[in-house]
Amino acid sequence: DQQVKQNSPSLSVQEGRISILNCDYTNSMFDYFLWYKKYPAEGPTFLISISSIKDKNEDGRFTVFLNKSAKHLSLHIVPSQPGDSAVYFCAARAHVGGAQKLVFGQGTRLTINP
Amino acid sequence: GAGVSQSPRYKVAKRGQDVALRCDPISGHVSLFWYQQALGQGPEFLTYFQNEAQLDKSGLPSDRFFAERPEGSVSTLKIQRTQQEDSAVYLCASSFGQDTQYFGPGTRLTVL
Repeated sequence: DQQVKQNSPSLSVQEGRISILNCDYTNSMFDYFLWYKKYPAEGPTFLISISSIKDKNEDGRFTVFLNKSAKHLSLHIVPSQPGDSAVYFCAARAHVGGAQKLVFGQGTRLTINP
Repeated sequence: GAGVSQSPRYKVAKRGQDVALRCDPISGHVSLFWYQQALGQGPEFLTYFQNEAQLDKSGLPSDRFFAERPEGSVSTLKIQRTQQEDSAVYLCASSFGQDTQYFGPGTRLTVL
């Protein structure tokens, strides 16, 4: 079963506009959520995170929103820039028994058009 | 400071061969993780070390997969008698305690 889902495999946005990437999860034990960005032939790069006790975290152009009742989180990028073109992964952590493995979604490929 | 490094970056193996993939975590990072990423998918957890102790190996797909971290620093993921379904990118990540996991560039394994 897919505990973390990113239902949009791709997204195309005009430069300067807002990019919104979505993620849904099923496991209520998840206590921490992260977004990673991945360029081809590189490993995932940490972008931003949010604890389950918060509903918003902002870092520059990036904001993550968490709706626990809906088990949904989203990443907003504004304004979008060409360098933001990459694959974005949503990940969730369940802190159970000391283990802190991440469960990832399938990724969304974001393309920013000039 | 240096990030997580992995070697080799690319590995081609004939079916049935054994392979060994190396991960050098960020200095001082206690926790080390291995993930497997199939084409078009997100990374999937394989195993987790805290220092030299392997605390979780629930994600290892079969007993052909073996990981070690004998001195609590460098880790090796070994795959015995490789199969075509083992073809994937193998990612290593490290963290200081419970903090954010930082990933290496990965090793792309192709089994022919």
